Amino acid sequence: GESVGLHLPTLSVQEGDNSIINCAYSNSASDYFIWYKQESGKGPQFIIDIRSNMDKRQGQRVTVLLNKTVKHLSLQIAATQPGDSAVYFCAEVNWANNLFFGTGTRLTVIP
Amino acid sequence: EADIYQTPRYLVIGTGKKITLECSQTMGHDKMYWYQQDPGMELHLIHYSYGVNSTEKGDLSSESTVSRIRTEHFPLTLESARPSHTSQYLCASSDESGAEGEQYFGPGTRLTVT
Repeated sequence: GESVGLHLPTLSVQEGDNSIINCAYSNSASDYFIWYKQESGKGPQFIIDIRSNMDKRQGQRVTVLLNKTVKHLSLQIAATQPGDSAVYFCAEVNWANNLFFGTGTRLTVIP
Repeated sequence: EADIYQTPRYLVIGTGKKITLECSQTMGHDKMYWYQQDPGMELHLIHYSYGVNSTEKGDLSSESTVSRIRTEHFPLTLESARPSHTSQYLCASSDESGAEGEQYFGPGTRLTVT
């Protein structure tokens, strides 16, 4: 079966610092991954995605890195802001375009 | 902001009651989903639909049922609510012609069964 998991359940960072959130996946055949952000009382919101033919993808203040050798994803947030405080999920997309979510990491930004 | 809506946002109901959680989207998306999420935990897919008259079970077994009579509407029903059904229920939709896998989520319904 497919499983996606995160290394740390919580992360606290100072405002302005960079944040790194990690995720491990188990299905080596997976070729598409997505990071979601979920703020309190809201549904998850798409942040960035990456396909397995890429090692890195950048967005606005966010970068996703994919290491297929060790089946590991990371989400880097540059210059973390209070508005970045949320729970972050990585998700694996299967053949039916369904998402399998890992356990979230709660990011807390300290002003 | 995604145009996907869920009602009610919060529901407290007694054991044995029948409930329907509503989900509507105005984006014309064919594919819709229901997830169950316990506080601080991952989302589990319980139902999805490829389009009108299509319903499929997700990876987490659920006593709920769904229907898809109209493209924009994907209600979830519990015939007899139990305390074990207490959870947050999130609805989502996606456009198969858009970014693959990108799903737009509603705000969720937090259900408490007493």
